[in-house]
Parts: sequence; C-alpha cells; structure tokens
Amino acid sequence: QKEVEQDPGPLSVPEGAIVSLNCTYSNSAFQYFMWYRQYSRKGPELLMYTYSSGNKEDGRFTAQVDKSSKYISLFIRDSQPSDSATYLCAIASGGSYIPTFGRGTSLIVHP
Amino acid sequence: KAGVTQTPRYLIKTRGQQVTLSCSPISGHRSVSWYQQTPGQGLQFLFEYFSETQRNKGNFPGRFSGRQFSNSRSEMNVSTLELGDSALYLCASSSDRPNTEAFFGQGTRLTVV
Repeated sequence: QKEVEQDPGPLSVPEGAIVSLNCTYSNSAFQYFMWYRQYSRKGPELLMYTYSSGNKEDGRFTAQVDKSSKYISLFIRDSQPSDSATYLCAIASGGSYIPTFGRGTSLIVHP
Repeated sequence: KAGVTQTPRYLIKTRGQQVTLSCSPISGHRSVSWYQQTPGQGLQFLFEYFSETQRNKGNFPGRFSGRQFSNSRSEMNVSTLELGDSALYLCASSSDRPNTEAFFGQGTRLTVV
C-alpha cells in the first residue's frame, strides 16, 4: 500500500459544479497537508496548506482534513474551465518535513 | 519577485552519458528540493539542500547527486544515464522547511535515448 493514495481520474464536470478531490494516507505521523495544482507542462503550484484537522477556506477552495480517518479533501466551488489541471495532494510528517505526494487527479471542467 | 528558474527546459541525452541540471531559487530562500516526476511513479523526492548542506535524501541510487552553492543556487547531476531516468525534474524552493510554502520551477524535461 502506497503511503498516499489518490484516484488519478480523469474527473470530468460541467462548469459551475462543486468538485471534490480526495486522498487517503496510511501513516498517522503525518501532520502537514497540502494541495497543489499542476497545469500541463508547468510545475506544481501550492493551493492550500494546513496542519490541523478541520476545514480551511481560501476563495473558491476548501481543504478538509480528517486525521481520525486519514482522509483529506479539496473542494472547488463554482468550478471554471481554467480549473482544469492535475491536483496533487502532499502530506508531510514533523520529522523530515519532506512531502509525500499522491499521484494526482486529473480534473476537466467543460463549458 | 522572480520565481524559481530551472535550466535547461528540455534535454535529450544518450544512455551512459551524464547530465547536470540547474535551479535558481527565489531570492532569500535557503531550502532547495529536487523531485523526479514520471507518469508511472508520480512525484518522487530526490534530495533537499539547505545552506549548502544536504539535509534530506530520498531513495534514489548514488548516480543521482546534487549540491548547493553559497548563493542558494543548486545543481543536480545524474551519471551513467539509463532509459528509466527519462522524466520531468522539478526543483522547489522554500524559505526554511521544504513543506512550508514551497514554490516549484517549471522543470527540466530529460529524455534519455
């Protein structure tokens, strides 16, 4: 079992939909949780960063962490075609702080 | 504020050759991490440098090495290239710990033929 599991998709939704992206992890030592967005032929871009259970909101994006279930989510409200990209979750422990990345979920938002 | 700059953007090498990739972090950032991204394995951590010292290392063979200079610029070297080394190599910089607001460069696409 990989340390971080993420469904590769693709996930195809109509413009304006609420998108839910998820990751599960196996190591309870993980304390830091991040979501990155990667457009084709570009490097990943940090979207959200949190180190606690609960919700964190930033504009149309909400990150949710459930440490008891080892489950993290990213919600995108009012999705736009420009949101079409690969979304990577990344999780790190307090020891090395080196993030372990999920494989990424490909999101397609069609007009 | 200039972003993370990686050079070159594209590279084609032959098996057995060696290659050096360069990364210039954001000004003031002292942590530089290197990752390999492939369709099969995703993003995998290679190593991290902080103030010219390797602070963390991933599970890659010794053919992969790196260094960091006093101005925080970093290079990674791959010797005796194999076909499986074909990948996008990404560099990320942050001010301190590698998981704290890391900024990625656009990567170097290496193709080994």
